[in-house]
Amino acid sequence: GAVVSQHPSWVICKSGTSVKIECRSLDFQATTMFWYRQFPKQSLMLMATSNEGSKATYEQGVEKDKFLINHASLTLSTLTVTSAHPEDSSFYICSASPEEFPGTGELFFGEGSRLTVL
Amino acid sequence: AQKITQTQPGMFVQEKEAVTLDCTYDTSDPSYGLFWYKQPSSGEMIFLIYQGSYDQQNATEGRYSLNFQKARKSANLVISASQLGDSAMYFCAMRIRNSGNTPLVFGKGTRLSVIA
Repeated sequence: GAVVSQHPSWVICKSGTSVKIECRSLDFQATTMFWYRQFPKQSLMLMATSNEGSKATYEQGVEKDKFLINHASLTLSTLTVTSAHPEDSSFYICSASPEEFPGTGELFFGEGSRLTVL
Repeated sequence: AQKITQTQPGMFVQEKEAVTLDCTYDTSDPSYGLFWYKQPSSGEMIFLIYQGSYDQQNATEGRYSLNFQKARKSANLVISASQLGDSAMYFCAMRIRNSGNTPLVFGKGTRLSVIA
């Protein structure tokens, strides 16, 4: 299957600082990537849809100015958590697929990034 | 809007036994895909099985099978011959098939514990 890589796997930062998480499609081009957030013992909630060359689409309740998404190339999307606070501590995971709905429509996931804000 | 409901927060199963994880869904779109993912404690999302809304037969992948009942809008996962390594969170998810690139919508998940 297609490979999506996410970096860093885990990060600890101080309150008020910004953290950037990268999501790369290694063997395919992705015009669209999806960012999810998962709090402990909860499900994956869609935060935003990242579109190459255009602005991201955010889900209701997700602060655009806090979670900056940049999809500058067909293989890279970045999520920047600005002025992070302890309540932003979570597991962030990205996903993408080579085509709009290929075959089974399976979305491929990155390894996830565990953010802890002190 | 789509909705996925998983009513079993946790399930226990004896090793080598079969277990069924429940999933119901709701959508007004006629074309969609249903998925099951496994998430171990490491956090990675492991794709298990897929069922298309127009598929006539239930999907099977090794020890995994999907009991698809379209009229009831249910897509239960059956794991046969459970193994200790099956202990994990299991998520049912749906993806609408239309002209765009659509996201997966997840249920709340079921934590499966396999007992030796």
